[in-house]
Amino acid sequence: DIQMTQSPSSLSASVGDRVTITCRASQGISNYLAWFQQKPGKAPKSLIYAASSLQSGVPSKFSGSGSGTDFTLTISSLQPEDFATYYCQQYNSYPYSFGQGTKLEIK
Amino acid sequence: QITLKESGPTLVKPTQTLTLTCTFSGFSLSTSGVGVGWIRQPPGKALEWLALIYWDDDKRYSPSLKSRLTITKDTSKNQVVLTMTNMDPVDTATYYCAHRRLGYPFDYWGQGTLVTVSS
Repeated sequence: DIQMTQSPSSLSASVGDRVTITCRASQGISNYLAWFQQKPGKAPKSLIYAASSLQSGVPSKFSGSGSGTDFTLTISSLQPEDFATYYCQQYNSYPYSFGQGTKLEIK
Repeated sequence: QITLKESGPTLVKPTQTLTLTCTFSGFSLSTSGVGVGWIRQPPGKALEWLALIYWDDDKRYSPSLKSRLTITKDTSKNQVVLTMTNMDPVDTATYYCAHRRLGYPFDYWGQGTLVTVSS
């Protein structure tokens, strides 16, 4: 099974900041990597697929990169609505697996 | 537009079988490449993938839960059903269903349904 490890587990930032979240796969997954945003009490929202492609309707302040085992999600110019928990997920092979999440909090 | 909604009991007793239904609209599970999956999230914890069923009735399960899970589809009713046997308090979670197409991750999710396992 492929383990997905996110870092950091939590992150404090200010409005206007740029932040980067890292996701590492225990084995190569090509670019079959997705990022989700989840707010309290809500379902996850798809942000990025294929490591760097933006889902329709997602603002360009979100960007993803990486291939193989190491991936990043960058959020620029943080706004209050961006403070949430972010998850990566590999869909290269079964069983699909998620990272443990990164909670982005307001400083 | 694509929507999904989970339904089922909010409370089950230990050892009972849980049956959850995902009712969807905006797509057909008879369309090539389309799948519906189930993902759960214990309170305050991370997401966990459980099962997937595809348009061609291909089924995939989490190995750690495979012996307890069954996923089926009713294309005419636009529904996917997940059953989980021998429920335990550690299975307390919000259960989500989600749409995907082959080669892409889950893109549309239901609102989730909280299932509590308690005597």
